[in-house]
Amino acid sequence: RKEVEQDPGPFNVPEGATVAFNCTYSNSASQSFFWYRQDCRKEPKLLMSVYSSGNEDGRFTAQLNRASQYISLLIRDSKLSDSATYLCVVANDMRFGAGTRLTVKP
Amino acid sequence: DVKVTQSSRYLVKRTGEKVFLECVQDMDHENMFWYRQDPGLGLRLIYFSYDVKMKEKGDIPEGYSVSREKKERFSLILESASTNQTSMYLCASSFSQGREQYFGPGTRLTVT
Repeated sequence: RKEVEQDPGPFNVPEGATVAFNCTYSNSASQSFFWYRQDCRKEPKLLMSVYSSGNEDGRFTAQLNRASQYISLLIRDSKLSDSATYLCVVANDMRFGAGTRLTVKP
Repeated sequence: DVKVTQSSRYLVKRTGEKVFLECVQDMDHENMFWYRQDPGLGLRLIYFSYDVKMKEKGDIPEGYSVSREKKERFSLILESASTNQTSMYLCASSFSQGREQYFGPGTRLTVT
């Protein structure tokens, strides 16, 4: 089973900022990717899927770059409530990144 | 909504005890998973199951076993608990391989 590596963070940004996280994967045959959000002492919750064509959900955009083997998550207009740890997942490998911690400050 | 439940939120056991962690999902998912999560190490896969009575080792199966007698239930067993098994244990399920996983609330196990 192959590796998934994530930006270590932490990211500390002001409200309203745009922030981006990257996640690289080593298995070129990987097919399915997701981003999860995990709040402190809670379980991970699905944030969004990642498609080759990109995926946008409100302020959140997920992208897949197969040639360079990475996925990204862009958060626009950050809110205080976006503070959490964000995990990338290569689902068919059942492999999670270690997570990137985001703190949005007033 | 998918619902995954775990038998305990917090558990304290002594070294050498046999520990059972239960997980139940209500969405008729084929796949079920057990992970442990430790600070700085992220989620690590212990075992997974893609069908009743089927199981596969993950990255860190040593010291653990699993049981899946019914489709909705996946149990993690620590045969003889040790202090290095103190961790957060998370169960998850998915409709099929490669699909999104849904997590239970986790069991924080302390072995003293």
